[in-house]
Amino acid sequence: DQQVKQNSPSLSVQEGRISILNCDYTNSMFDYFLWYKKYPAEGPTFLISISSIKDKNEDGRFTVFLNKSAKHLSLHIVPSQPGDSAVYFCAADTDKLIFGTGTRLQVFP
Amino acid sequence: KAGVTQTPRYLIKTRGQQVTLSCSPISGHRSVSWYQQTPGQGLQFLFEYFSETQRNKGNFPGRFSGRQFSNSRSEMNVSTLELGDSALYLCASSFQGSASQETQYFGPGTRLLVL
Repeated sequence: DQQVKQNSPSLSVQEGRISILNCDYTNSMFDYFLWYKKYPAEGPTFLISISSIKDKNEDGRFTVFLNKSAKHLSLHIVPSQPGDSAVYFCAADTDKLIFGTGTRLQVFP
Repeated sequence: KAGVTQTPRYLIKTRGQQVTLSCSPISGHRSVSWYQQTPGQGLQFLFEYFSETQRNKGNFPGRFSGRQFSNSRSEMNVSTLELGDSALYLCASSFQGSASQETQYFGPGTRLLVL
């Protein structure tokens, strides 16, 4: 049973526009979340995290929003760049990382 | 500082064989976690080792095992390989482990193909 879900397997966005990647979770006890980016033939790279005491965390072009009542988080990338094309995983950090299945983002010129 | 390294990068085995994968964490990191990535399943947690002790284990059969050495290097072993074990195996290291809400740093992975 997937405790962390990324329902969009892929997303295509034009360069310069906003990319919004979504993630839902089922366990209301989860209180810390991370986003990782993965290029082919490389391991996942940490991008940004958020604790449940906050509803937003920003780092440059990347912003993560957390809606605890909806058990939903989203990653916004503004503006999107071709180098952002990768697979993005959200994860809940409990006593281990519980990952979603990933969303493949393609940013085209 | 060198990142997490994994060897070998690619491996081909046949059903019934066993395989050992190796992971060297970032210097100073004491926690090593292993994950399996398959298409459509995302990354699934296998186990975590901290100071040579298995601290946490995921829902994988006993054919999957691991260990950690005093220098924090870790190995995982899969015995009696099945076709479904074909996957990318990733290890991640951190100083204290995921329970501390500390960033885990991943290696490039070992891609295992079972024929």
